[in-house]
Amino acid sequence: GAGVSQSPSNKVTEKGKDVELRCDPISGHTALYWYRQSLGQGLEFLIYFQGNSAPDKSGLPSDRFSAERTGGSVSTLTIQRTQQEDSAVYLCASSLAAASTYEQYFGPGTRLTVT
Amino acid sequence: GQNIDQPTEMTATEGAIVQINCTYQTSGFNGLFWYQQHAGEAPTFLSYNVLDGLEEKGRFSSFLSRSKGYSYLLLKELQMKDSASYLCAVRVLNAGNMLTFGGGTRLMVKP
Repeated sequence: GAGVSQSPSNKVTEKGKDVELRCDPISGHTALYWYRQSLGQGLEFLIYFQGNSAPDKSGLPSDRFSAERTGGSVSTLTIQRTQQEDSAVYLCASSLAAASTYEQYFGPGTRLTVT
Repeated sequence: GQNIDQPTEMTATEGAIVQINCTYQTSGFNGLFWYQQHAGEAPTFLSYNVLDGLEEKGRFSSFLSRSKGYSYLLLKELQMKDSASYLCAVRVLNAGNMLTFGGGTRLMVKP
C-alpha cells in the first residue's frame, strides 16, 4: 500500500509569508507526528496527534506554528509569518497506534526555504 | 528532558564491520529505535530495542543496555549502499510516544 505522503516536496517562500504543509498518513494509522530537521541536524519533535484526542503541542517552537488533523487522517502544519530560521525539512510520520512497539513510518518531507 | 549522544561521522571499508554507539540519559525510558536516512530521503526503520540484549536482523544488529543508557548498531559485511546517516531515537513514557532523536551518525563506506 501507499506510504506516508507529503506535499509540497519543496517550498520557497518570502520572510513574513504564511505556509501550509500537508501530510497524508498511511491508511488506518491513528497516530501522526510532525518533526523538523534542520541542515545537518537531528530530528526535532513538533507535534503529535493520536486519534481524536487533543494533540500534544509541546514541541512547537513558537505560537507561529500550528497544526490540525481533519477526520483523523490528513494533517496540515501551518507556519505564520515565516522567519529564515524556519528553513528546514519538515517530516511527517505515522504509526498504527501510539503504542510503544509500533514503529513510525516517515514521509519524504517538505523542504522549506525562507528567503 | 532527554540527552542523546552519538558520533557525528564514521568511515569504514566495504566488507568490514562497523559499530555505531549511542548513549542516552532519560527518565521513563520506553524503547530505543535506530533509523537509516540516505541523503535527501526520509528515515527508514531499522530496529527497536526495549529489553536488554541483542536484536539481530540480517546484516544489522542492535544492542541495548538500559542500566548503562547505551545502545549500539552493528553493521556487518558493509556495502557501499550502507553509506547514510544512522539515527538513534529514544521513546519515553507518557510523552505521546514521540521520539527524541540524536544528531545522527553519518557513515561513509569506502571501497
